[in-house]
Formats: sequence, structure tokens, C-alpha cells
Amino acid sequence: KAGVTQTPRYLIKTRGQQVTLSCSPISGHRSVSWYQQTPGQGLQFLFEYFSETQRNKGNFPGRFSGRQFSNSRSEMNVSTLELGDSALYLCASSWTGGGGANVLTFGAGSRLTVL
Amino acid sequence: KNEVEQSPQNLTAQEGEFITINCSYSVGISALHWLQQHPGGGIVSLFMLSSGKKKHGRLIATINIQEKHSSLHITASHPRDSAVYICAAPYSGGGADGLTFGKGTHLIIQP
Repeated sequence: KAGVTQTPRYLIKTRGQQVTLSCSPISGHRSVSWYQQTPGQGLQFLFEYFSETQRNKGNFPGRFSGRQFSNSRSEMNVSTLELGDSALYLCASSWTGGGGANVLTFGAGSRLTVL
Repeated sequence: KNEVEQSPQNLTAQEGEFITINCSYSVGISALHWLQQHPGGGIVSLFMLSSGKKKHGRLIATINIQEKHSSLHITASHPRDSAVYICAAPYSGGGADGLTFGKGTHLIIQP
């Protein structure tokens, strides 16, 4: 079966711009969670969606937002980009979420560079 | 928010050695995850466990719920085991939500 698909894989933006990243989960998975990975901070939780509802959010500013569609595909948006937003953005999908007894499947990530 | 501590941060060993990576968390959880990340970024789930021990090939994961501690062991280590190993726990401790992560253990197995 197809894995978790993230698009685009690489992108370069300039400060002040906005970016939208997409995540298509494994078919049947209803939970999608998003993470930011940087060399300094490691992996950090952004937010998690289940059946189009945001169930939890990490400690990130309001510039970071997301949504989930009825087909479970999810997007995240970062507005007013800052240099520090340069990172690998990963999404993961599961049946019901990482806190429950479900294995997460990660996408390959979207690598964002902000100049 | 659950706090996850992992040790060691870096580990270099010779092929064949027995490897142990430790993980502790602060809030009671429903399940703990062990992940593997290779250069280039791809993350693979190795184990998800809520009690006792799980084994997959040369990898063994154990968890002590009362002590909020888990270990990942690699027996007969091989250079292809070189990767970053990350433990992760539910962000809020329980329920179905995202994960919070340890800093990772950068493992290098030398031939």
C-alpha cells in the first residue's frame, strides 16, 4: 500500500513569504500529526488532526497553522516566514494517533529553506 | 507536556557489540515509541510498546511503566545499524495526540 506522501520535498522561500505543505496519509488512517526537525531543537510536535479536528497543538506561534480535509489529507501553513523556520517538516499518520496504541508511519518530509 | 530524556547522545561501538540506549519520560503514557532515522531524514517506527518487552530480529525494546523508563538493545551490532535512534512518548502523556521526542542517540558501528 502507498506510504505517507509529503509534497513538496524541497522548497526555498524568502523571509516574509508564506508556505503551504501537504501530507497525504496512508489510506484508512484518520490521524495526521506534524513535526518540525532542526539541528538545534531536534524533533518538535506542531499539531495533530483527527477527523478534521485539531486535537492538540505544540508550543509554536500562531504563524503555524494546519487543517485536515474530509479525505484525511492535511496541510500546514507557515506565514511570515523567518530564517529560523528553516527545517525538515515531517508528518505522520496512524489509525487514531500516536498517544494511543497505534504505530505511526512517517512521510519523507518537506525540507524548507528560508533565505 | 511530557518530557523525554534519552542517553547516550552519541555512541560509537565495534561491530558485534551489545548496544543499549536508555529513555525516560515524565508523564504516564499509553505507549512509548522507538524510531530510527537514517541520514536524509526518513524515520521508521521500530517499536511501539506499552508493557514488557518486544523483539524484532536483533532489536529488543523493554519498558518499565512504574519507573517510566524504556531501553532499546541491539545484539550483535552491525555497521548497517548506524543511525539515529529516537524514543518518543505521547505529547500530553495519554490519549491520542502527537509525540514528544528525546534528543536522539547517534549510533555509529565501526567494522
